[in-house]
Amino acid sequence: DAKTTQPTSMDCAEGRAANLPCNHSTISGNEYVYWYRQIHSQGPQYIIHGLKNNETNEMASLIITEDRKSSTLILPHATLRDTAVYYCIVRDYTGGGNKLTFGTGTQLKVEL
Amino acid sequence: DTGVSQDPRHKITKRGQNVTFRCDPISEHNRLYWYRQTLGQGPEFLTYFQNEAQLEKSRLLSDRFSAERPKGSFSTLEIQRTEQGDSAMYLCASSLGREWGQETQYFGPGTRLLVL
Repeated sequence: DAKTTQPTSMDCAEGRAANLPCNHSTISGNEYVYWYRQIHSQGPQYIIHGLKNNETNEMASLIITEDRKSSTLILPHATLRDTAVYYCIVRDYTGGGNKLTFGTGTQLKVEL
Repeated sequence: DTGVSQDPRHKITKRGQNVTFRCDPISEHNRLYWYRQTLGQGPEFLTYFQNEAQLEKSRLLSDRFSAERPKGSFSTLEIQRTEQGDSAMYLCASSLGREWGQETQYFGPGTRLLVL
C-alpha cells in the first residue's frame, strides 16, 4: 500500500471547518483513500473513503485531487467531540487481504 | 448495540502468565482482523480470518501468540508467557469482505493489556 504523509497536529475553533490534508504521491490506480479517526482510548472509527471522486456523508467530506496524489478530509462544523487522531490510509482493493496500514495520523484539537 | 465487542476491556497480568481475549464481530461479517496498538502509534496488523480460515499473519505475531475463529463467528487471541513488551491495546475489527471492490473495517473498543 502507498505511504501517506499527514501533519502531526492541527488546531481548529469549534464551529469552524476542519480541513485535514493528506499526501499520497505514490498512490496507484487500484488504491482507495480511507479515513479513520480515533478518540482517546477508543477503537478507530470509520469516517469515509473514496477512489477518484469527491465523497460526502453525514460525518465529513473527502476531496481528492485530480491527480490523486493528495486529499483533504473536511469536517464542516467541528465540535469538541471531534478532537481525535485522524488517520489517512490508502489501500489496494484488488488483493485478497485488506489489512489497514496506519501511520501516526494527525492529532486534531478542537477548541472553544 | 450491534457493533464489534471485545472482552475484557482491561487486563492486568504478571509477566509469564497466559491471557486470552475475545472478539465478537458484527453479525454476518465474514472477515475478522486483530491489530495491536502501542502508546503514540497507530494500530498494527496482527492477523486476519475469512470465516474460520486464518489467511494472513504478521511477523509481529510471534509463536507465543495464537488466534482462532473456530466457527467463523467470534475469535480469541491468546498470548502465552506474557512479556512486558506485550503491553498494548489489542483491537479487533470485522468487515463484510468482498472479493472485489470496497471493504470497510469496523473496530471494537479494544482490550488494554498491562503486563507487570
